[in-house]
Amino acid sequence: DAKTTQPNSMESNEEEPVHLPCNHSTISGTDYIHWYRQLPSQGPEYVIHGLTSNVNNRMASLAIAEDRKSSTLILHRATLRDAAVYYCILSPLHMGSYIPTFGRGTSLIVHP
Amino acid sequence: GAGVSQSPSNKVTEKGKDVELRCDPISGHTALYWYRQSLGQGLEFLIYFQGNSAPDKSGLPSDRFSAERTGGSVSTLTIQRTQQEDSAVYLCASRPPNTEAFFGQGTRLTVV
Repeated sequence: DAKTTQPNSMESNEEEPVHLPCNHSTISGTDYIHWYRQLPSQGPEYVIHGLTSNVNNRMASLAIAEDRKSSTLILHRATLRDAAVYYCILSPLHMGSYIPTFGRGTSLIVHP
Repeated sequence: GAGVSQSPSNKVTEKGKDVELRCDPISGHTALYWYRQSLGQGLEFLIYFQGNSAPDKSGLPSDRFSAERTGGSVSTLTIQRTQQEDSAVYLCASRPPNTEAFFGQGTRLTVV
C-alpha cells in the first residue's frame, strides 16, 4: 500500500498561515490525496482532497507537487480552533474495497 | 440524523465483562468501518463492511473482538472478556461510493 510521511508536530501563531507537508513518494497515478483532521475528543473530519491540480475550499487549500510525490495543506490564517491532528492519506480512484489507512498525522499547535 | 452516531459515548466496564458498542451510519452509506485509537496514537483499523459482501476482519486484534452489521445499516462491535489493554476510543465511519469517509464521535471505553 502507498504510504505517507508527515512531521509529528508543527507550531503556528494565530492568524498566520500554516503549511502542513506530506510526502507520498510511492503514490500511483490513480491515487487521490485526502486530508482529514481530528479535533480534540472528536472523530476525524474530511478537509480536502485532490488528484493533480491545486484545490481550494472553505477550510483550506491543497498544493500538489508536479510529480505528485508530495503535497501541502495550507491553512491561510490559523485560528485556535485549527489546533488538531492532520492526516494525509491516499485513496484509489475507485474505492470498491478501500480501507482508509491513517498514520500518526501532524499535531498542529496554534499559539494565541 | 445528519451524521454517524455512536453509542454510548463513554463506557466503563470491569475487566472480564463483555461490552457492545453501537454505530448508526449515515443512511445510504454502503461502507462501514471500525477503528480503535489508543491515547496519543493513530487510528488502528479493525473491521470493514461493504454492502452485502463478507466483512474484512483482518484488523481485529483477537478472537475476543467481533462485529456485525444488520440489514446493511446499524453495526455492533462486541468485545468479550475485556482486558485493560482494550481501553481506547472506538471510532466508526461510513462512506458512500467513491467519496470521503464520515466519522462518528467515538466511544471511549475504559476497562478497570
